[in-house]
Amino acid sequence: EPEVTQTPSHQVTQMGQEVILRCVPISNHLYFYWYRQILGQKVEFLVSFYNNEISEKSEIFDDQFSVERPDGSNFTLKIRSTKLEDSAMYFCASQTGRQETQYFGPGTRLLVL
Amino acid sequence: AQTVTQSQPEMSVQEAETVTLSCTYDTSENNYYLFWYKQPPSRQMILVIRQEAYKQQNATENRFSVNFQKAAKSFSLKISDSQLGDTAMYFCAFMSSGNTGKLIFGQGTTLQVKP
Repeated sequence: EPEVTQTPSHQVTQMGQEVILRCVPISNHLYFYWYRQILGQKVEFLVSFYNNEISEKSEIFDDQFSVERPDGSNFTLKIRSTKLEDSAMYFCASQTGRQETQYFGPGTRLLVL
Repeated sequence: AQTVTQSQPEMSVQEAETVTLSCTYDTSENNYYLFWYKQPPSRQMILVIRQEAYKQQNATENRFSVNFQKAAKSFSLKISDSQLGDTAMYFCAFMSSGNTGKLIFGQGTTLQVKP
């Protein structure tokens, strides 16, 4: 069964460093998302991406964040200058159509020191 | 703005018993979608069940069923014959039919199934 994959599973970085989180969505999916879950809290929407552009972003998704789909398969989230409060689990999700079910990757646990 | 509320931070149930997790939401829309996702200790988000608001029939998926009350804006999840593997955090989520497809999640309910 096709699944969303994410790498790395864990990432430890120093405050101020850039990180890139990678996702490979399910191959026939067209809509892509990033969500964040700070430990013990709810899952929060960061950004949605369709047709090679951002379709919606949350207040959390400030200028330090960017997304791209460089090669038609990978979907990346970049944090330019990490802060302590960026420590969280980051989930990628994808879906075939806008109102279809979203399937999540296993997440990347980011720890900023 | 839409909101999702799960008022039970923690619940427990004996193995083989039935448990119901509560979820309420707020929206002014008529067409939308509701989901329950399970997050076991591995922290993977796994779809449990989906409900379309235009459908009056409650969704079922094996031991999992929902009680969807559109007028009351309530969407509870019933787990029958609970199994140890059901131990997880459960999130209720809302998706508008009109926006970009983003999910709005509740705070989650931690369910412990006891042997």
